[in-house]
Amino acid sequence: DGGITQSPKYLFRKEGQNVTLSCEQNLNHDAMYWYRQDPGQGLRLIYYSQIVNDFQKGDIAEGYSVSREKKESFPLTVTSAQKNPTAFYLCASSIPLAGSYEQYFGPGTRLTVT
Amino acid sequence: AQKVTQAQTEISVVEKEDVTLDCVYETRDTTYYLFWYKQPPSGELVFLIRRNSFDEQNEISGRYSWNFQKSTSSFNFTITASQVVDSAVYFCALSEAGGNNAGNMLTFGGGTRLMVKP
Repeated sequence: DGGITQSPKYLFRKEGQNVTLSCEQNLNHDAMYWYRQDPGQGLRLIYYSQIVNDFQKGDIAEGYSVSREKKESFPLTVTSAQKNPTAFYLCASSIPLAGSYEQYFGPGTRLTVT
Repeated sequence: AQKVTQAQTEISVVEKEDVTLDCVYETRDTTYYLFWYKQPPSGELVFLIRRNSFDEQNEISGRYSWNFQKSTSSFNFTITASQVVDSAVYFCALSEAGGNNAGNMLTFGGGTRLMVKP
């Protein structure tokens, strides 16, 4: 089945550690996105990538880093510089033609940092 | 800059009632796209509908219907005869088609939590 996978579903880390969230898609989409969702709030864009080996900062990129070495994969690293890393993280993909196509979302990873 | 407002943070209805979720948007672009997504308790966002700014025709899909009015910058979502399975958070989103959005980025509203009680 075509879709987006994110693993793990739940992730626990100690403060000061970097952690990498995985996102894989087999939809053959060029564009991929990372969003952060805090309780009771909407989604905020962290990073996006329109094509392999290229990515752009979103609205809240500070404390995060990404790579896009393969079309299918867009991992997100939450660094120790991120002051409030506990949140629900959603990955998405789409055809990168502005607005014309919906974004498809993965099941999300809930990160808890203590 | 673009903005999406969902003024209703939570709505509670009894099963079989009709319910309307409001969405108001702001954009300077003349060409844009509006979306609705559903987020059930599992967390994954499920795409419901996409509407472009040149098509103001209302759409109906089963118990779901959408009312797009450019004059009031609104794109409201109505569920008829609500069911317990409709309980979820619903997000309205906007994507501008201008050159600044070559990456097809979405601006989301804050979401409306719908609770349908049996």
